This record gives sequence, structure tokens and C-alpha cells, in this order.
Amino acid sequence: DTGVSQNPRHKITKRGQNVTFRCDPISEHNRLYWYRQTLGQGPEFLTYFQNEAQLEKSRLLSDRFSAERPKGSFSTLEIQRTEQGDSAMYLCASSLVYRGQYSTDTQYFGPGTRLTVL
Amino acid sequence: AQTVTQSQPEMSVQEAETVTLSCTYDTSESDYYLFWYKQPPSRQMILVIRQEAYKQQNATENRFSVNFQKAAKSFSLKISDSQLGDAAMYFCAYRGTQGGSEKLVFGKGMKLTVNP
Repeated sequence: DTGVSQNPRHKITKRGQNVTFRCDPISEHNRLYWYRQTLGQGPEFLTYFQNEAQLEKSRLLSDRFSAERPKGSFSTLEIQRTEQGDSAMYLCASSLVYRGQYSTDTQYFGPGTRLTVL
Repeated sequence: AQTVTQSQPEMSVQEAETVTLSCTYDTSESDYYLFWYKQPPSRQMILVIRQEAYKQQNATENRFSVNFQKAAKSFSLKISDSQLGDAAMYFCAYRGTQGGSEKLVFGKGMKLTVNP
């Protein structure tokens, strides 16, 4: 078990460019979450997947943001036409939830991808 | 909507001493989960301790313990015998059980400094 991994760890881009981040969850974890953390704030929820299904999206996730988890394993988060306000740390977390039970899961976080939009 | 408030942005403690971090939250749910996460500088978020709201007994994990006051909606973290490695940002987080939402709602965090 190598934990949640995220790539790249840092991304610097120019305003208007598209960027894509990848998250590899802990093996066999069926839930995957994306959060955004700006300086001096706690993480804010963006979206989550159960297997390959995207079950919830925050209002923070504008139409420039899209997330996928095509085979229920790794996930990608794409931001189109980046803006300076998108500069933040993007965190991924994963958990294991058993069918038919309340989510008593613990979310395990990756190291994050720090995005800087110039 | 649920909210989590950490009113102290920074605290410091002497090595080997005890420190208590405060957290309050607002919810209309009766069943939920509370967490304390630690985020060391430039490192990833790590779970410190969790508490199920239906449990009256306060959770403990080695040097870490909580004081969960459900009626007051208070969830404080006590760190005993503080160590230099405890220096980090600490986040209090809430997760409800109703409506199918699985998101964690975080407070703004508190920076803990441990002085040698």
C-alpha cells in the first residue's frame, strides 16, 4: 500500500491554458474525492466518485472544471481556460466503503498538486 | 449547511506540555462524524483522530484525545506531551450522514508551533 499519489506535484501555467491533474488512490479504494485548498483556508470539497460514477459535484466546480474516473481506478481533474483565481492546492483523497453501509470510511489524502496560474 | 469553526488561528506550546485546540460546528443532523487532521509543512494531510457522534465515549489515540460535547457542538483536541513533530496545521472536519453527501467540511485550520 503506497498511499494516494498525485501528479504533478507542482504546475505553473499561464492564464487561459488548460491543465490536467492525476490522482491514483489507494489500491482497491472505491471512493475518490477532490478538494481545493487555498492559502490560509481549509480544503473545500469539489467532487467525488464511487467507482467510476461521479455522485456529487460542488457549486465550486464550474463548467471549466471536469473530473473523470474512467475505470474506477485513477482519476483526472481538468481545468480549462485557467484563471488566476484557480491558483490553489488540489487535493485528492480515497476511501473504502462497503455496500449497504453508512460511510464510516476514513478519507486518506494525497500530497496534492499545487497550481499557480500566472 | 454545516459549518466548522476554528477560532484560534495560531497556538504555541512548549515541548512536553499539553495543548488543547478548539473546534465548534453547526449542524441539524443527529448522526455524524468528526475528525481532526494534521497537515505538516509541505506534507500531506494525515488523520489524527475521529469521533462518531453516537458514541458518548471520547476518542483517544495515544497522546491525542478529544473532548466531544454534542449538546454544545464542541469538539476539542488535546495533545499531551507535545513533541516537535506535532508542529503542523490542524484542521477540524465534519461529515454528515444524511442526504447522501460524503464530503468533509473543514474549518480554516490552526497553526501549532512547538517550542523546544
